[in-house]
Amino acid sequence: AQRVTQPEKLLSVFKGAPVELKCNYSYSGSPELFWYVQYSRQRLQLLLRHISRESIKGFTADLNKGETSFHLKKPFAQEEDSAMYYCALSGNTGKLIFGQGTTLQVKP
Amino acid sequence: GAVVSQHPSRVICKSGTSVKIECRSLDFQATTMFWYRQFPKKSLMLMATSNEGSKATYEQGVEKDKFLINHASLTLSTLTVTSAHPEDSSFYICSAGSSVNEKLFFGSGTQLSVL
Repeated sequence: AQRVTQPEKLLSVFKGAPVELKCNYSYSGSPELFWYVQYSRQRLQLLLRHISRESIKGFTADLNKGETSFHLKKPFAQEEDSAMYYCALSGNTGKLIFGQGTTLQVKP
Repeated sequence: GAVVSQHPSRVICKSGTSVKIECRSLDFQATTMFWYRQFPKKSLMLMATSNEGSKATYEQGVEKDKFLINHASLTLSTLTVTSAHPEDSSFYICSAGSSVNEKLFFGSGTQLSVL
């Protein structure tokens, strides 16, 4: 079954602390993985995709095929990182599958 | 939990016909609906944002006369692809947000194939 799982509904950290938002997937091919972010009452935005290997706003994510994971990490969280984060998977058919989302709350 | 139902999940149509895709919020009032388009292995592309009772706001490059969006009630939004052509073949997905919380809920998507 094709599935994206974000096990944490809410992740609360203090400013300056490291952040790891977990994402695990189930897919029988070679998917492309994405992280999307939604800041307060704004539209969904692409944060990063595994194929580009970029670091956006200090966030990185490495695709681990052995563990079928694509965890989002940032070494030092900032208050402006507080948002909803969605992990998503796209396969050869074009279908996009989203995880349930994780709310990141960065406290001062 | 909140659920967004999107139908149909898959549609195959002839070139020149129109296709309607429905997106329903089943247990909450969706004040805002977003319609996205997805090409294989590419990032999601926002097509338009609709608020209940008002005209949709289309993203640059999206033809509003081709992709008709209606958000007539707090639980239903529709996307109609008019006079569909093969280049409109894509995966379309909706997401809904309520005014109560800021979380988005996604439909399961519609795979449109235009022959």
